[in-house]
Amino acid sequence: QQQVKQSPQSLIVQKGGISIINCAYENTAFDYFPWYQQFPGKGPALLIAIRPDVSEKKEGRFTISFNKSAKQFSLHIMDSQPGDSATYFCAASRNTGNQFYFGTGTSLTVIP
Amino acid sequence: GAVVSQHPSWVICKSGTSVKIECRSLDFQATTMFWYRQFPKQSLMLMATSNEGSKATYEQGVEKDKFLINHASLTLSTLTVTSAHPEDSSFYICSARVPYFEAFFGQGTRLTVV
Repeated sequence: QQQVKQSPQSLIVQKGGISIINCAYENTAFDYFPWYQQFPGKGPALLIAIRPDVSEKKEGRFTISFNKSAKQFSLHIMDSQPGDSATYFCAASRNTGNQFYFGTGTSLTVIP
Repeated sequence: GAVVSQHPSWVICKSGTSVKIECRSLDFQATTMFWYRQFPKQSLMLMATSNEGSKATYEQGVEKDKFLINHASLTLSTLTVTSAHPEDSSFYICSARVPYFEAFFGQGTRLTVV
């Protein structure tokens, strides 16, 4: 059973545009929601993370929006750049636990 | 920030041989490390949870005798793929998490069995 559902599977955005990736979860015990960026042949790297006590978190061009009642969260990449082209994974976990549950990933391509 | 170092970054081995992959937490103690397998264009699949000083916990469907995990110290976990076959070729990634905080991932190991 997929604990975290992610969409879309792939995304093509023009340079300067906004990239939006969505995730949904079922387990209400989750209370930590990170986004990871992965380039080909590399391990995932933390991009930004949010906890459910806030509805939005922004770091530079990256913003997480969190809707606790809908059990959904999304990543917005403003002013998308070709260097942002990568695979993005959302994840969820419990603070008191260790295991992360990953989404299926979104392949983002930013075209010049 | 905390760093997890994984070695080697790639390895090619002959079918039937064993390969060891190391995962080290460089500046923090990791009582728990995780081993993932990733197929091309797919998500990370958790293989096992490695606990320092005790037996690893394997996910359903993962062969314990094929994927041997040892977590002998708070900074080192190893994954040994025994009697490797071409179907074991994949990208293996380790991870360690500081409790209540983020998880850090190794660089990954590309295993190719010929």
